[in-house]
Amino acid sequence: AQSVTQLGSHVSVSEGALVLLRCNYSSSVPPYLFWYVQYPNQGLQLLLKYTSAATLVKGINGFEAEFKKSETSFHLTKPSAHMSDAAEYFCAVSALTGGGNKLTFGTGTQLKVEL
Amino acid sequence: GAGVSQSPRYKVAKRGQDVALRCDPISGHVSLFWYQQALGQGPEFLTYFQNEAQLDKSGLPSDRFFAERPEGSVSTLKIQRTQQEDSAVYLCASSPRDKLYEQYFGPGTRLTVT
Repeated sequence: AQSVTQLGSHVSVSEGALVLLRCNYSSSVPPYLFWYVQYPNQGLQLLLKYTSAATLVKGINGFEAEFKKSETSFHLTKPSAHMSDAAEYFCAVSALTGGGNKLTFGTGTQLKVEL
Repeated sequence: GAGVSQSPRYKVAKRGQDVALRCDPISGHVSLFWYQQALGQGPEFLTYFQNEAQLDKSGLPSDRFFAERPEGSVSTLKIQRTQQEDSAVYLCASSPRDKLYEQYFGPGTRLTVT
């Protein structure tokens, strides 16, 4: 069984400040980990993924995440927030099995960026 | 190229009506997933197809929910006798053969049951 916990349903940062969105996972097998972003009334867009290669993963729009097995974490960061980053962010875990790689999502973190 | 498309984008149904939601995956993608996203929640897995075979339907909440993908491309999610608790956004995603771990999502269908 797999699960994801996202700490903080709402995060507010100033424009230009560091963005840190937290994600902890639980998985009985080596996990694949993902961050998705969702803008209002849109589907989910893949930001980045960890698939057991490099532990520091770089994604689109300047985001990156580090897989830390000892902490079972996959936190998302961006050095400098932009107004366009305001959206909802979902962390997800999957395991590639014969039944496909169905994703298990966290409950999401709403990021607000203030001037 | 064209992404995953879903129709209708919005659907309002009276309680007890049947609805059908359509998903057009990216051309050539072998895997197709349906998820349900309730308001303020993350998406939850419903069912998975590989080509035309439905390999996992463990997430379907009741026998009122039925999905098919008869020719291995377009998929339809059908909900019979809709209930208010079925109100949610239904998301479809597809994956290519060489990157099964990478899912591309459509914009979703927002279903409101009144």
